[in-house]
Amino acid sequence: QVTLKESGPVLVKPTETLTLTCTVSGFSLTNARMGVGWIRQPPGKALEWLAHIFSNDEKSYSTSLESRLTISKDTSNSQVVLTMTNMDPVDTATYYCARILRTTMITDYWGQGTLVTVSS
Amino acid sequence: DIQMTQSPSSLSASVGDRVTITCRASQYISYYLNWYQQKSGKAPKLLIYAASNLQSGVPSRFTGSGSGTDFTLTISSLQPEDFATYYCQQTYSALWPWTFGQGTKVEI
Repeated sequence: QVTLKESGPVLVKPTETLTLTCTVSGFSLTNARMGVGWIRQPPGKALEWLAHIFSNDEKSYSTSLESRLTISKDTSNSQVVLTMTNMDPVDTATYYCARILRTTMITDYWGQGTLVTVSS
Repeated sequence: DIQMTQSPSSLSASVGDRVTITCRASQYISYYLNWYQQKSGKAPKLLIYAASNLQSGVPSRFTGSGSGTDFTLTISSLQPEDFATYYCQQTYSALWPWTFGQGTKVEI
């Protein structure tokens, strides 16, 4: 059974760095056909793709956020980590991680999401 | 980034109606277009992948079409459980940023 679970702080202060962890099970981060992506959704707004990473460590970032994002993986712990620097209240959102199937370029399993609020 | 433009942004429909949502890419994306359904407070659910392929377990009333830059999601006979927000997503290149459309809210 494939599952993904996001974890991290629920509240961060402006200018702080956010670190989110996606812990996966039911598939391996070393599988050449798999990857993991991060997506966010501000309250009442649309989905926004942030970044993704594949088993060979190939990565891609949203152009508008690239300077603030870092995605990495820890295959031994089945985790993918996203860091976002210089957080601002506009970054308040539900953050999701999702499994990517590279063969079809889809995200087929999603975590439940974690709401991160940026406020002093 | 490749920009995805959905229309309409919202629509009102009744049970049994045929509903069509369109998505346009700012550049050629071949068939690398996926459709998701999202209900309030839930993660998105994959409906259609590679423009026209029905994800396993998704009812056949959902169909997708298109290629290149213009794509369509059609719900042939709207059911009560279909009232939700629908998003298109381009995944043209593994090494490029992926992007979503702004969403289409289907309301009663």
